[in-house]
Amino acid sequence: GAVVSQHPSWVICKSGTSVKIECRSLDFQATTMFWYRQFPKQSLMLMATSNEGSKATYEQGVEKDKFLINHASLTLSTLTVTSAHPEDSSFYICSLQGWDQPQHFGDGTRLSIL
Amino acid sequence: GNSVTQMEGPVTLSEEAFLTINCTYTATGYPSLFWYVQYPGEGLQLLLKATKADDKGSNKGFEATYRKETTSFHLEKGSVQVSDSAVYFCALVPIQGAQKLVFGQGTRLTINP
Repeated sequence: GAVVSQHPSWVICKSGTSVKIECRSLDFQATTMFWYRQFPKQSLMLMATSNEGSKATYEQGVEKDKFLINHASLTLSTLTVTSAHPEDSSFYICSLQGWDQPQHFGDGTRLSIL
Repeated sequence: GNSVTQMEGPVTLSEEAFLTINCTYTATGYPSLFWYVQYPGEGLQLLLKATKADDKGSNKGFEATYRKETTSFHLEKGSVQVSDSAVYFCALVPIQGAQKLVFGQGTRLTINP
């Protein structure tokens, strides 16, 4: 069964709205959490990495004030897209990793900004 | 630097055909290698992995062998099914440093009945 729960799976909202995406580990403690963005028919682009107890490390070109990441606990990470605009529309995927484990991916969130 | 290059898609095959999706990599050191599969509208699922040279990863009829001499990790399946239709990603994790996955560009596979 699934070990990572990502919610919501699909969200449509108006431009200027802030959207929060949650990613939960269901049966293990996630010491490291990753957030990816995927454009249609393209590969995954790593946005940021967060380790337990520390702030997220953002990849070059990713605006940290735009994409707020909170590694709230060993089982929960959230990505908030602040003041979203149509160019932020994309498929966002989280992945979680525990000790001596491979990354487990969520099912993704399709974000559509009108 | 670290990079992964995959066979360009899309790939379209008939059911029961033999599948090969090529993957080559560039890495400093000795990476671990992975194949992930993404079904429509879903996240990624780990299909198989290999952590050292000559290791063979296998799962659900798929196989890939870690070839250090050719820096390759080609994905194969002897007889594909319609349910194998998905996007396949080759990826690596450098042994040293953080556990960041480096993905190839993905190969879309469609199997026709």
